[in-house]
Amino acid sequence: GAGVSQTPSNKVTEKGKYVELRCDPISGHTALYWYRQSLGQGPEFLIYFQGTGAADDSGLPNDRFFAVRPEGSVSTLKIQRTERGDSAVYLCASSLKALGGAGGGNEQFFGPGTRLTVL
Amino acid sequence: AQSVAQPEDQVNVAEGNPLTVKCTYSVSGNPYLFWYVQYPNRGLQFLLKYITGDNLVKGSYGFEAEFNKSQTSFHLKKPSALVSDSALYFCAVREDSGAGSYQLTFGKGTKLSVIP
Repeated sequence: GAGVSQTPSNKVTEKGKYVELRCDPISGHTALYWYRQSLGQGPEFLIYFQGTGAADDSGLPNDRFFAVRPEGSVSTLKIQRTERGDSAVYLCASSLKALGGAGGGNEQFFGPGTRLTVL
Repeated sequence: AQSVAQPEDQVNVAEGNPLTVKCTYSVSGNPYLFWYVQYPNRGLQFLLKYITGDNLVKGSYGFEAEFNKSQTSFHLKKPSALVSDSALYFCAVREDSGAGSYQLTFGKGTKLSVIP
């Protein structure tokens, strides 16, 4: 079946502009995650959805960042008033519902990422 | 707080030789441990995980990893390296807290180069 898809693959924008990044998770995966990967670093957690609700948004760096998942499938990461420091690869991942215990160890499947460049 | 350390930025190994990519972790409770591989311009691919049970975990492409609780390590190994194994490898951990977030904490990555 299809994996996690992300659009666009590349996004170049100017400082101060608004951007939206889209993620289509694997069908049937109720858990969805956003990460940000800067050059030479590992992915850093941003936000986690279980269904439609954001169960943990502790990784969002500030209030310019927001994410939604209105129908429990596709998610959109929104960045307002972009800054040059926002330039990175934004990764989306999905997994089977984390039930706790061993279910919490369900592996996350990652999309190819969106490379955001803020000029 | 949970954390991961990958002490080597780069590992070079000759084709056919055994390889090891090191990972140590820190969590308050029991760990769930994962290895991912990243090829250029591609997303992270899951290799293997440790949840519970046997300390030696076998995964994709002939890779395996050994969980060592006393040393808080989860080193990735392969008996015979292939040139096609050259890639960036990430170790990740999340704590089995029984509730709350399932965010993974990743190491900085280790670049593996297999020399023909």
